[in-house]
Amino acid sequence: EVKLVESGGGLVQPGRSLKLSCAASGFNFNDYWMGWVRQAPGKGLEWIGEINKDSSTINYTPSLKDKFTISRDNAQNTLYLQMSKLGSEDTAIYYCASETSGGMDYWGQGVMVTVSS
Amino acid sequence: DIVLTQSPALAVSLGQRATISCRASQSVSISRYNLMHWYQQKPGQQPKLLIYRASNLASGIPARFSGSGSGTDFTLTINPVQADDIATYYCQQSRESPLTFGGGTKLELK
Repeated sequence: EVKLVESGGGLVQPGRSLKLSCAASGFNFNDYWMGWVRQAPGKGLEWIGEINKDSSTINYTPSLKDKFTISRDNAQNTLYLQMSKLGSEDTAIYYCASETSGGMDYWGQGVMVTVSS
Repeated sequence: DIVLTQSPALAVSLGQRATISCRASQSVSISRYNLMHWYQQKPGQQPKLLIYRASNLASGIPARFSGSGSGTDFTLTINPVQADDIATYYCQQSRESPLTFGGGTKLELK
């Protein structure tokens, strides 16, 4: 069974940093591009970025490129999202998902990040 | 960036056909591949892939869901609509980075 489990969320003060993890199991993690998507409360889905199999290609949505960093550890089957200079606009549920040419086929259950003083 | 436009809401009766549209600001097709995908999201749940590359049913998705379109205009059809289909539906393009989602269409009961 494919499982993606995000962790590392919670309450963080404005201006601080936070690192999310996404633990993958049930599929060959090394063979997949992976991505992050977020959803602010009551809003739609926003694609954050993606990373290819060997981390040689990482793409971001332009507005988040200077704040967020995506990385992966294939030995640990884990995807990461390092977030810096967080503001209230970053309050959202953060999802990790596997990416193929056929869309984002597996999703985690999401982790909530709340930015507030 | 490629902008995807969806109507915010659609009201439908159970047992009827629902047609949800998505228009892209530029073509999302490459050769014979239409790089548009559809997702269903119910409250409190993660999105679920329904249709990939415009017209292909994802694994485990009922046949009452179908997709069509090419270039800039795409459609998700649910026929017949069942109570379990009440959700928000998003289109997404993977033609170019950044990948983008439509704003979502909330399917409501009439």
